[in-house]
Amino acid sequence: QKEVEQNSGPLSVPEGAIASLNCTYSDRGSQSFFWYRQYSGKSPELIMFIYSNGDKEDGRFTAQLNKASQYVSLLIRDSQPSDSATYLCAVTRYGNNRLAFGKGNQVVVIP
Amino acid sequence: DARVTQTPRHKVTEMGQEVTMRCQPILGHNTVFWYRQTMMQGLELLAYFRNRAPLDDSGMPKDRFSAEMPDATLATLKIQPSEPRDSAVYFCASGPRQGQETQYFGPGTRLLVL
Repeated sequence: QKEVEQNSGPLSVPEGAIASLNCTYSDRGSQSFFWYRQYSGKSPELIMFIYSNGDKEDGRFTAQLNKASQYVSLLIRDSQPSDSATYLCAVTRYGNNRLAFGKGNQVVVIP
Repeated sequence: DARVTQTPRHKVTEMGQEVTMRCQPILGHNTVFWYRQTMMQGLELLAYFRNRAPLDDSGMPKDRFSAEMPDATLATLKIQPSEPRDSAVYFCASGPRQGQETQYFGPGTRLLVL
């Protein structure tokens, strides 16, 4: 079982809609959770992190964490063409800087 | 505007040649990471350093890869000898300090081994 799984295939959403991405992790000791965005040919950039169960909102992005079920999700509201990218989920244990990444989910926002 | 820098940005070499990639972490960051990204495997951690000391290089093929931090402003990743299967994008990332897991990525080195 991989440490971090992002199983959905490419996600196509119309402009203005909500894009929903899910990620599951295997290590119950995981404490910190991150979402990175990666444009084609570019490096990953951090867009959200979450440490506690529940929701965390930042602009059009909302991260949701459920440690009991071992999943973390990312919602993108009012999707824009500029949101078209691959979104990488990453997790780590507290105090251990080692990040384990999922393979990513590609999002395509259709104008 | 503080950012991680990497050189070279692109490298084409022949099998068997030595490849050296360099990274300058963000000033003041004390953790440095090397990742390799391929379509098949995604983003894999090769090695990481804290305060210039190697903490984890379990993801790195030991027979041909080596990673060092000669000083706080320079990290290097070497492949000797290189093989076609090493073709990938190699990213360096740095982080502020232990307990702050946020990592900031450099632009990457795109390596092609023929």
